[in-house]
Amino acid sequence: KAGVTQTPRYLIKTRGQQVTLSCSPISGHRSVSWYQQTPGQGLQFLFEYFSETQRNKGNFPGRFSGRQFSNSRSEMNVSTLELGDSALYLCASNRGVNTEAFFGQGTRLTVV
Amino acid sequence: GENVEQHPSTLSVQEGDSAVIKCTYSDSASNYFPWYKQELGKGPQLIIDIRSNVGEKKDQRIAVTLNKTAKHFSLHITETQPEDSAVYFCAASKSTGGGNKLTFGTGTQLKVEL
Repeated sequence: KAGVTQTPRYLIKTRGQQVTLSCSPISGHRSVSWYQQTPGQGLQFLFEYFSETQRNKGNFPGRFSGRQFSNSRSEMNVSTLELGDSALYLCASNRGVNTEAFFGQGTRLTVV
Repeated sequence: GENVEQHPSTLSVQEGDSAVIKCTYSDSASNYFPWYKQELGKGPQLIIDIRSNVGEKKDQRIAVTLNKTAKHFSLHITETQPEDSAVYFCAASKSTGGGNKLTFGTGTQLKVEL
């Protein structure tokens, strides 16, 4: 059974640019969540999508957005990149509510 | 919103010793408490979880205890091995309101020395 797949694994972007990250959940999982991991702030919840609808949202600015497709794959977009957006972005999928979250290996974003 | 505190931030033990990591949470509505292990270059992986209707859960060398009154839960690893060296995160979430949203602690770097 394939795990959660995130692409790309590494990205280098320039300040002001935008970026799109992709996440394919485990087959059958309809809930996809995104987290930002930094040394200073730890693991912080960005948002969750379920059945193509955003179901939960964390405390991040509007530059961070996401969407989910009918096959449950999800993308997150960050516009007008700032140096502070450099982080490991993790995607997780769940089969149900309050069940085990399976994480991907993450996308390492570096903003220069 | 929920706030999860985790201690210690680093923990060094000798192989074969026990390791204990403690977390406290603020939202009394939280009812699901997973523990994740993260190795270098990888995403977090669930090692054990506990729900609020249970006080203790054990899986081989790993156990978790939950005190709902005090709002704290702990991870216990016995007979530690070098491969237990990693960063461990506790987390909390609640089922009311629907959805999956984990609030994580700040992590504990565990080092098991030979």
